[in-house]
Amino acid sequence: DIQMTQSPSSLSASIGDRVTITCRTSQSVNNYLNWYQQEPGKAPKLLIYSASSVQSGVSSRFSGRGSGTDFSLTINGVQSEDFVTYYCQQSFSSPWTFGQGTKVDI
Amino acid sequence: EVRLEEAGGRLVQPGRSLRLSCAASGFTFDDFAMHWVRQGPGKGLEWVSGITWDGGRTGYADSVTGRFTISRDNARNSLYLQMNSLTTEDTAFYFCAKDILGGSGWYGIFDSWGRGTQVTVSP
Repeated sequence: DIQMTQSPSSLSASIGDRVTITCRTSQSVNNYLNWYQQEPGKAPKLLIYSASSVQSGVSSRFSGRGSGTDFSLTINGVQSEDFVTYYCQQSFSSPWTFGQGTKVDI
Repeated sequence: EVRLEEAGGRLVQPGRSLRLSCAASGFTFDDFAMHWVRQGPGKGLEWVSGITWDGGRTGYADSVTGRFTISRDNARNSLYLQMNSLTTEDTAFYFCAKDILGGSGWYGIFDSWGRGTQVTVSP
């Protein structure tokens, strides 16, 4: 199975900051890397797929980059609703695996 | 609008069985692969199982292989997860999720999710 390592596990930011979360995979996944956002008590929401494609309806302040084993999610100008948890996930090979999550606090 | 509604979660004793269901609407159900993803208390996300549009291909996490069976009924727009030999490690919120890819395969990208159903395994 492909192992996923997200960092940091948590971070603090202020409204308007630029925030970057990184994800490293145990083997190359090409660009088959996705990012989800999860509010407490709610289902995850797809933000970014295939490393850098923004899902329809998602704010343009979210962006993703990377390929191979190293990826990042950036939030440009963090808003109050962005202080939640983010997960990376690889869709290169089954079983599909997730990172452990990054909680963004205000 | 895509809607996925899970049902069937409850408190069950170790060793017993449970069947979850997911009712889908708002899209052409038999065009898409579907998945189950779970989240243990205070934990991260774990893909449990997936099934292609026609049920011809299924996949499972190692942790549930041999105990869980995924199936679907396209005539009823429904997805199922039969869970046998449950253990306390299976305690989690179970989400039904739609694959982003239509057609014969799957992408393993989950673009719509239900609200989930709670499964608690306890003596």
